[in-house]
Amino acid sequence: AQKITQTQPGMFVQEKEAVTLDCTYDTSDPSYGLFWYKQPSSGEMIFLIYQGSYDQQNATEGRYSLNFQKARKSANLVISASQLGDSAMYFCAMSPHNTDKLIFGTGTRLQVFP
Amino acid sequence: DTGVSQDPRHKITKRGQNVTFRCDPISEHNRLYWYRQTLGQGPEFLTYFQNEAQLEKSRLLSDRFSAERPKGSFSTLEIQRTEQGDSAMYLCASSLAVGLEQYFGPGTRLTVT
Repeated sequence: AQKITQTQPGMFVQEKEAVTLDCTYDTSDPSYGLFWYKQPSSGEMIFLIYQGSYDQQNATEGRYSLNFQKARKSANLVISASQLGDSAMYFCAMSPHNTDKLIFGTGTRLQVFP
Repeated sequence: DTGVSQDPRHKITKRGQNVTFRCDPISEHNRLYWYRQTLGQGPEFLTYFQNEAQLEKSRLLSDRFSAERPKGSFSTLEIQRTEQGDSAMYLCASSLAVGLEQYFGPGTRLTVT
């Protein structure tokens, strides 16, 4: 079965520090996409970063980078230089090959403190 | 680029009533998706459209649920004979093509009393 697992219900990080949010996935498809979304308390899902299964390099987008380890089926999100505005729920998601739907994990609540 | 919009943002209804939600995708996006999110969970896929064609429906979408995208632009999601278990956030998203990132609207929070 295709599944996303996020084992950290909550994480704390001090402002300006880096934090890693864990994500593992399960699929037998050779081709898939991996996504991270941020959901602030307002409720809107905000796209952060994408990694394709055949991409050789880890994706980066500003302060966000995706630590993609294909053999371990992990796609951890690294946020560098945390800011108070980073406090939110973070969801890892997978798009299996040639399907449009996203399969989401249960999310990790990140709290950034001064 | 105005983003994905949804209306209403909140809806409170009594059990047994019908409700309809609207989603307006980003204008050049031909793919439109509906998800449902309950408290403490990630969004769950309900259905999606490519232009006006509904291409996939989840088993979560019971016979009481129907979605349309009549002219390949906005979409509506109707729930008939609502039940308390339908209480959730209903999220709409759109994208340019398969496999690309999906952009989400602010959601419609439904409460069934």
